[in-house]
Amino acid sequence: SQQGEEDPQALSIQEGENATMNCSYKTSINNLQWYRQNSGRGLVHLILIRSNEREKHSGRLRVTLDTSKKSSSLLITASRAADTASYFCATGDQTGANNLFFGTGTRLTVIP
Amino acid sequence: DAGVIQSPRHEVTEMGQEVTLRCKPISGHDYLFWYRQTMMRGLELLIYFNNNVPIDDSGMPEDRFSAKMPNASFSTLKIQPSEPRDSAVYFCASSFTSSYNEQFFGPGTRLTVL
Repeated sequence: SQQGEEDPQALSIQEGENATMNCSYKTSINNLQWYRQNSGRGLVHLILIRSNEREKHSGRLRVTLDTSKKSSSLLITASRAADTASYFCATGDQTGANNLFFGTGTRLTVIP
Repeated sequence: DAGVIQSPRHEVTEMGQEVTLRCKPISGHDYLFWYRQTMMRGLELLIYFNNNVPIDDSGMPEDRFSAKMPNASFSTLKIQPSEPRDSAVYFCASSFTSSYNEQFFGPGTRLTVL
């Protein structure tokens, strides 16, 4: 399976702390994306990093990509209670197909 | 601009009944995806279309599941007959052909089969 795996499966932190989630995948990729899912809602795209990029920032989000290790990390700085959600990584492969392979998700709880 | 629209949002039915889930993708998007999400198996890709043509249906669990996309603005996922193990949240997502394929998800349909 090309499905990625997030680590940890669940993470609980205090508001204001940083949260780091990791994603590992198995095949060569074209890009890697992170999505957030609030309880009872659909997934929302957060950030995309291309295979030739190593780091990307968007607001309080920082994503890194290490293609040699087939891994990525998502850092959320200065977390807020509203960041409580599940976070998924998704990879796009190099075949040109538009489908994505989603990981198993990390459940983040930010305690006010 | 409206996002991906799914209906119904909630569906409760009895085992053996036919269930039809509906999706309207974002206008101009040429890819449409159907996913199923459960606690046990996470997010599973069931089938996806490109320009209304099914490209990969290898994720469709059984012949009881079928999906159609009669035009660029409408798709259905049908389960006939439904079984309790089909209970899940079904998501539709769409995207536009590009090298970087961000997907836009609908709010999902929560299906409960009794």
